[in-house]
Amino acid sequence: AQSVSQHNHHVILSEAASLELGCNYSYGGTVNLFWYVQYPGQHLQLLLKYFSGDPLVKGIKGFEAEFIKSKFSFNLRKPSVQWSDTAEYFCAVAGGSGTYKYIFGTGTRLKVLA
Amino acid sequence: EPEVTQTPSHQVTQMGQEVILRCVPISNHLYFYWYRQILGQKVEFLVSFYNNEISEKSEIFDDQFSVERPDGSNFTLKIRSTKLEDSAMYFCASSVGGVNSPLHFGNGTRLTVT
Repeated sequence: AQSVSQHNHHVILSEAASLELGCNYSYGGTVNLFWYVQYPGQHLQLLLKYFSGDPLVKGIKGFEAEFIKSKFSFNLRKPSVQWSDTAEYFCAVAGGSGTYKYIFGTGTRLKVLA
Repeated sequence: EPEVTQTPSHQVTQMGQEVILRCVPISNHLYFYWYRQILGQKVEFLVSFYNNEISEKSEIFDDQFSVERPDGSNFTLKIRSTKLEDSAMYFCASSVGGVNSPLHFGNGTRLTVT
């Protein structure tokens, strides 16, 4: 069965610091990978997605993620965070034959101090 | 940008009562999903729906749950006899295609069972 693990549950950074959030998944077949963000009181929004091709994926708001197949990882990065990046970040994986469901990680709550 | 809309935003109900959570997916989307997020926990898959039938469901989605697309626009989740542990945020999502298309989420319905 697929699973997704996010190693950091809470991260606190100062503005302008660099961010890297870890995500590992367990499924060995072809997968589609996503990062979603949930700002306080809002719904889940797609940050970026990986289906195939260039393993370095650029998303909205300056975020990027790198797919490393050998490590089953899809870490999220941002070189310089802003106070407005305070939110919860979810990694998700979809894939495998006969399934359309997305499996989400437990989320990482990011707080950026102004 | 088209949105997935959910009503109500908050629902309080007594244990044993039936609730219906409503969702209007994006109009040209074909795949519909319900997820839930118990406070402080991860986003969990409940059910996926395509071509007017359930395509996949989780172990959470037992006989107390049902989904329906009654009129070609609404997508509803019914909980027949609510339990305290059903208290959660319920998210509806839709996508154009299956696993290769990102999910678009609604703002969620916060269900509180007392």
